[in-house]
Amino acid sequence: DAGVTQSPTHLIKTRGQQVTLRCSPKSGHDTVSWYQQALGQGPQFIFQYYEEEERQRGNFPDRFSGHQFPNYSSELNVNALLLGDSALYLCASSSISLWDRKNEAFFGQGTRLTVV
Amino acid sequence: DAKTTQPPSMDCAEGRAANLPCNHSTISGNEYVYWYRQIHSQGPQYIIHGLKNNETNEMASLIITEDRKSSTLILPHATLRDTAVYYCIVTDQTGANNLFFGTGTRLTVIP
Repeated sequence: DAGVTQSPTHLIKTRGQQVTLRCSPKSGHDTVSWYQQALGQGPQFIFQYYEEEERQRGNFPDRFSGHQFPNYSSELNVNALLLGDSALYLCASSSISLWDRKNEAFFGQGTRLTVV
Repeated sequence: DAKTTQPPSMDCAEGRAANLPCNHSTISGNEYVYWYRQIHSQGPQYIIHGLKNNETNEMASLIITEDRKSSTLILPHATLRDTAVYYCIVTDQTGANNLFFGTGTRLTVIP
């Protein structure tokens, strides 16, 4: 079981550009959430996808968007990048159907995005 | 708004028990207490969770006070590999993958 995998591991972009980050959930999981972690801070919730729809959203602007595919994998898109978007972006997966028995989220290792 | 309060840092001698406190005085009846940890440069790792009763697994024990306003995570025999930031999180089941992390407690295990 590969667990949660994210790609790429590191990325450097220029202000104003757009970026797409990818996440494959743990086998058997159907829910994917994305988090942003700035240096020295705890992860902040961006949004959650289930059944290919955005179900919950944190306090992030519309420049942050996402998608979930039929195979449960997910993408995070950020448009018009700002220097302040530099952070570690984490993907977490869980299973709605298993939630009453195994209540935990599994995290990937993250994508380190640097905006210059 | 933060739902939990944790000390910013703690030290623990290797081999001793590490007791990490967490205050969650505004916890609701349907909210669980979760603990995750994040070792440097890695994604957060689930440790344990509980609702009312004390819980134990292969990694740690969770002690929740009777009024549920505070809890303690116990690592019974801390090792150097337990050095990490530990997050106490309060959430209901619908928010189980929508976690508010706060700033956590940085635990340093000292040889």
